[in-house]
Amino acid sequence: DADVTQTPRNRITKTGKRIMLECSQTKGHDRMYWYRQDPGLGLRLIYYSFDVKDINKGEISDGYSVSRQAQAKFSLSLESAIPNQTALYFCATSDIARDEQFFGPGTRLTVL
Amino acid sequence: AQKITQTQPGMFVQEKEAVTLDCTYDTSDQSYGLFWYKQPSSGEMIFLIYQGSYDEQNATEGRYSLNFQKARKSANLVISASQLGDSAMYFCAMSPIYNQGGKLIFGQGTELSVKP
Repeated sequence: DADVTQTPRNRITKTGKRIMLECSQTKGHDRMYWYRQDPGLGLRLIYYSFDVKDINKGEISDGYSVSRQAQAKFSLSLESAIPNQTALYFCATSDIARDEQFFGPGTRLTVL
Repeated sequence: AQKITQTQPGMFVQEKEAVTLDCTYDTSDQSYGLFWYKQPSSGEMIFLIYQGSYDEQNATEGRYSLNFQKARKSANLVISASQLGDSAMYFCAMSPIYNQGGKLIFGQGTELSVKP
């Protein structure tokens, strides 16, 4: 079983709809992250959480919100989706003692 | 502000040859980590190799090695004996905080194509 899972893997929605992307991990890591990938722009950090009670904005948090329901779960919400939020979204985790991050398989979101 | 620059949008290499993917970074931090990730066409991000800023020796992981030149602020990835399965996007990334699980800053990536 994958250590970091994301649901759904693909989603097509309409402008104005509320969307939630979910991330779960079995690695036992405290730290979790949400990134967005657009073609030609690499990955950009949306939000990150260093523990259940610690949530921080990243580089591009406008239009997004997050919830850290438990150590193993970190959800990303788009309250009112817009077409320029069409992208590939990654969840990642890391251990407090090491820097490398482990990524989920990604969620491909299309907003029409 | 921290920044990662990958100047090669695309690279070609012949199967079984070595290839170097360039990465330069900019930071005022004394302690940081440098990473390379591979993204095949299937989309997942695969961690390849890590170099800490205070590590004196270049990191190696199998066919991957990181050519770390601190004074030049470069962290090039060397893939030896390229294989067809190495065809993918490769991202260089930096974590501004050493060994404390910091946020990753990514470059724009280099698309590597391995020719048979």
